[in-house]
Amino acid sequence: NAGVTQTPKFQVLKTGQSMTLQCAQDMNHNSMYWYRQDPGMGLRLIYYSASEGTTDKGEVPNGYNVSRLNKREFSLRLESAAPSQTSVYFCASSDASGSYNEQFFGPGTRLTVL
Amino acid sequence: TQLLEQSPQFLSIQEGENLTVYCNSSSVFSSLQWYRQEPGEGPVLLVTVVTGGEVKKLKRLTFQFGDARKDSSLHITAAQPGDTGLYLCAGSNTGNQFYFGTGTSLTVIP
Repeated sequence: NAGVTQTPKFQVLKTGQSMTLQCAQDMNHNSMYWYRQDPGMGLRLIYYSASEGTTDKGEVPNGYNVSRLNKREFSLRLESAAPSQTSVYFCASSDASGSYNEQFFGPGTRLTVL
Repeated sequence: TQLLEQSPQFLSIQEGENLTVYCNSSSVFSSLQWYRQEPGEGPVLLVTVVTGGEVKKLKRLTFQFGDARKDSSLHITAAQPGDTGLYLCAGSNTGNQFYFGTGTSLTVIP
């Protein structure tokens, strides 16, 4: 079991460029999440997907789009990158069918926008 | 909106000392998780507490959920350098959103 995997691990973009961050989980979880982590700000939710075919905005969705491609994969797209999107991005998954949720995180993608 | 406040934000202690980290909120949560994150890695789940007043122990770590399910604490006994990391609390309700605290950065000096 690989758990939650993310690609790429590092990325440098120029302002205005686009890119897609990939995430996959092999735990058969229904729910998947994208967070960004900035110094002193903790983890902030960008988007989440409660199940295949559904997506919802989190706390900081502006400038991002997501696709829940199937139960395993959840991608995050930056259409026109801005320096304010420099951050570490984490994907997570959880099995929301139980009595309480527990999240499992990927290793992160470190993105710098110049 | 930051619903969970953690204190202290930074903590540097000598090996062998005890410490407590606090996670406070004005909101009630159905469950609360504690994570540890090491540099360059994603957060790793340590424990989940779900019942008001619940106490869980994980070796030298003791976690407590407040009676009103609005706050939690993490106590580490005889800290070791391997305990160094960022400790995060996260609250969840029956929906699918998790609300994270700002984190406590712990350094244990040998």
